[in-house]
Amino acid sequence: DAGITQSPRHKVTETGTPVTLRCHQTENHRYMYWYRQDPGHGLRLIHYSYGVKDTDKGEVSDGYSVSRSKTEDFLLTLESATSSQTSVYFCAIQLRESSDTQYFGPGTRLTVL
Amino acid sequence: GENVEQHPSTLSVQEGDSAVIKCTYSDSASNYFPWYKQELGKRPQLIIDIRSNVGEKKDQRIAVTLNKTAKHFSLHITETQPEDSAVYFCAASFILTGGGNKLTFGTGTQLKVEL
Repeated sequence: DAGITQSPRHKVTETGTPVTLRCHQTENHRYMYWYRQDPGHGLRLIHYSYGVKDTDKGEVSDGYSVSRSKTEDFLLTLESATSSQTSVYFCAIQLRESSDTQYFGPGTRLTVL
Repeated sequence: GENVEQHPSTLSVQEGDSAVIKCTYSDSASNYFPWYKQELGKRPQLIIDIRSNVGEKKDQRIAVTLNKTAKHFSLHITETQPEDSAVYFCAASFILTGGGNKLTFGTGTQLKVEL
């Protein structure tokens, strides 16, 4: 599982509330990613990080922010959750800088009512 | 941006038959093409990948082919077994600003292997 954990694994929240999802890795990988998975869309990149405090937007970044204050943790925040953000969120890491291969965490199922 | 199309969306085969899933991509700068298998409620798992300097790669019952000129790549599973039943995703990758790579995924193929 490449040492990736995500928390929480399941969350139900209400529209307008802030939500933070955590991705934790134990092996000092530089590159980390957040994707969302929705039926009919596959997985889509939200934000990514290429080092501590170095982050950038992906293709579906509106309504999301991220932070990476230490190598092992990559946080995804929904500042004011909306029903359209109901999804399964996967964190991924890239094992080596010389490799393109990404490995995924177990996912977080988020429901916004 | 990159666009990846995947077909078919569902595929049903008899156990022991072969299955083929096809993907096309739009960005000629893409140079890495992984395939993931996802079982219900689980994370996507990498099953095979291919880089743009290679035309074919095989790993036991699965193989991937790449045609850079036509911008398409395919997954081939031979001697299918019930445990091959899952959703399969193709992806195309290019390098991001700052390093790392962006994967653009197809919309998935639900493979069902029937006894």
